[in-house]
Amino acid sequence: DAKTTQPNSMESNEEEPVHLPCNHSTISGTDYIHWYRQLPSQGPEYVIHGLTSNVNNRMASLAIAEDRKSSTLILHRATLRDAAVYYCILRALTSGTYKYIFGTGTRLKVLA
Amino acid sequence: NAGVTQTPKFRILKIGQSMTLQCTQDMNHNYMYWYRQDPGMGLKLIYYSVGAGITDKGEVPNGYNVSRSTTEDFPLRLELAAPSQTSVYFCASSYSGRKETQYFGPGTRLLVL
Repeated sequence: DAKTTQPNSMESNEEEPVHLPCNHSTISGTDYIHWYRQLPSQGPEYVIHGLTSNVNNRMASLAIAEDRKSSTLILHRATLRDAAVYYCILRALTSGTYKYIFGTGTRLKVLA
Repeated sequence: NAGVTQTPKFRILKIGQSMTLQCTQDMNHNYMYWYRQDPGMGLKLIYYSVGAGITDKGEVPNGYNVSRSTTEDFPLRLELAAPSQTSVYFCASSYSGRKETQYFGPGTRLLVL
């Protein structure tokens, strides 16, 4: 099964950029890289996804290594509301259907 | 749009009891999923459905059953509840296709004593 590896926790100061790393060395050519975040007592919410090229949206940027074995989620200016668990997920084809395989995520703490 | 809704929000069950966790989506999504999340862990897929009348097992299906009679609803049935089923359960939905993102409900917290 496709798996991801993330640091258990990270800290950032408010208003500063945050780089959240993810390793996915077993990624296959058709696997999309998705990032979700989970605020306390809520369901996960979509942040960003990509396949090969770097991606930007209003929430974040996703930088994907050329060999696709790693990626980095970039929050350009962390706010207190960004404190959450961030999951790097591979959307992998298993048994004929695309499914998410969750890891344990990175708990981001934002300091005021 | 309400998105994905789940009921109940919280439930306490005794060992051996049964219950159904309800999930409804109003986005006309083909795909629906049930996950469980144990404390400090990521989500694990229990069952999924690619359309009405079609369901399949995920990573951890034992002790659960599902049905999908309509596009909107995807209930999860627990028969003979066990303490190991104490968890938070999330329902999600998505359009079909490998690029599509999933939309998650707020979760049901289940405690089996």
